Amino acid sequence: EAQVTQNPRYLITVTGKKLTVTCSQNMNHEYMSWYRQDPGLGLRQIYYSMNVEVTDKGDVPEGYKVSRKEKRNFPLILESPSPNQTSLYFCASSLIWGAGEKLFFGSGTQLSVL
Amino acid sequence: SQQGEEDPQALSIQEGENATMNCSYKTSINNLQWYRQNSGRGLVHLILIRSNEREKHSGRLRVTLDTSKKSSSLLITASRAADTASYFCATDVRVNYGQNFVFGPGTRLSVLP
Repeated sequence: EAQVTQNPRYLITVTGKKLTVTCSQNMNHEYMSWYRQDPGLGLRQIYYSMNVEVTDKGDVPEGYKVSRKEKRNFPLILESPSPNQTSLYFCASSLIWGAGEKLFFGSGTQLSVL
Repeated sequence: SQQGEEDPQALSIQEGENATMNCSYKTSINNLQWYRQNSGRGLVHLILIRSNEREKHSGRLRVTLDTSKKSSSLLITASRAADTASYFCATDVRVNYGQNFVFGPGTRLSVLP
């Protein structure tokens, strides 16, 4: 089944403890992206990747890192999480962007930083 | 920065009524897409309209695009309780390596039985 898989679904952590949220897609998509969703603010893009080894900042990249070493994986890394990073996170992918391709979303990761 | 802005922020209607949501954007686009999100879940693609199209239909959905006004509308006809969700428009913007998706803040639709 074609899908975007995010893990974990729920995560509670403490300030400063490094964490990684994994994202994997099995559709051979070139484009992948991370978003955070906060009440009243909609989806804000954190980072995106046009292809392997090609990443760029979105609107809210501060405090986050990403890597795209393989086409299928696009992990989101929080080196030193802070409470203001408590949010609902989504990974998404599309075949290629620019040709009217639709985004496929993961189920989301609800992160709480205490 | 958000390219798209949906209006209204929230909409409550009775089952069977039509629901209309609007999206305005700032810069020129190639495509505009609408997505639906059930509470806390990942977004699901509904429909895409290209910049050279004015109207598109898919089942009970009708999307219009007015590039001169930089706006789009999503109409859901004969709404059902199951249509209760948040709806987002997404536009493409040119970036360094190509194009990127930008989402608006969304419209929260409640369909009352």
